[in-house]
Amino acid sequence: DTEVTQTPKHLVMGMTNKKSLKCEQHMGHRAMYWYKQKAKKPPELMFVYSYEKLSINESVPSRFSPECPNSSLLNLHLHALQPEDSALYLCASSPTSGFSNYGYTFGSGTRLTVV
Amino acid sequence: AQSVTQLGSHVSVSEGALVLLRCNYSSSVPPYLFWYVQYPNQGLQLLLKYTSAATLVKGINGFEAEFKKSETSFHLTKPSAHMSDAAEYFCAVSVQGAQKLVFGQGTRLTINP
Repeated sequence: DTEVTQTPKHLVMGMTNKKSLKCEQHMGHRAMYWYKQKAKKPPELMFVYSYEKLSINESVPSRFSPECPNSSLLNLHLHALQPEDSALYLCASSPTSGFSNYGYTFGSGTRLTVV
Repeated sequence: AQSVTQLGSHVSVSEGALVLLRCNYSSSVPPYLFWYVQYPNQGLQLLLKYTSAATLVKGINGFEAEFKKSETSFHLTKPSAHMSDAAEYFCAVSVQGAQKLVFGQGTRLTINP
């Protein structure tokens, strides 16, 4: 299995809702990442998990709450989002966070719309 | 800190013509360089990468890139464009021990019939 699987593919939520994005990989990778991508822009790093521990938080607002229950699974919990948070949310993984010559394997993303 | 600059936010070529997408990097230590492709409403797919071995790197879908340290460049080429190559292309840089990739702004490639 050489894929990163993200669910759901599309999500529409109101500003008072709570929802979660899910990311799963079975490649044995020990680093997982959340990126946010606005239209016509490059991906922007949000969080890095290394060996199930949060190692980087790029000053992301607390309405985004990441969770890494085990080495294969990464969640992003959403609460009280704003319309400007509408974007494509990408998950990625790599063997380790410091082994950067690997590059990342990306999932196909969750298209989030906040109404 | 590392950075990449992609010259040209939009490149348009005719089907069968040469594709050249430009990427210049900045890094105080030896870099690792990557090209990713993104089709509409999809994630990023790795095309190829330079990790300090051969300077001419061949990737998927007939693409290749050459690392030129003297020019701090890592341009992406394909001899003959196909309609299916229409997509957004991102150059990215990292270094040993770093925990993240730094992406360029992207180049949208359009193929004219």
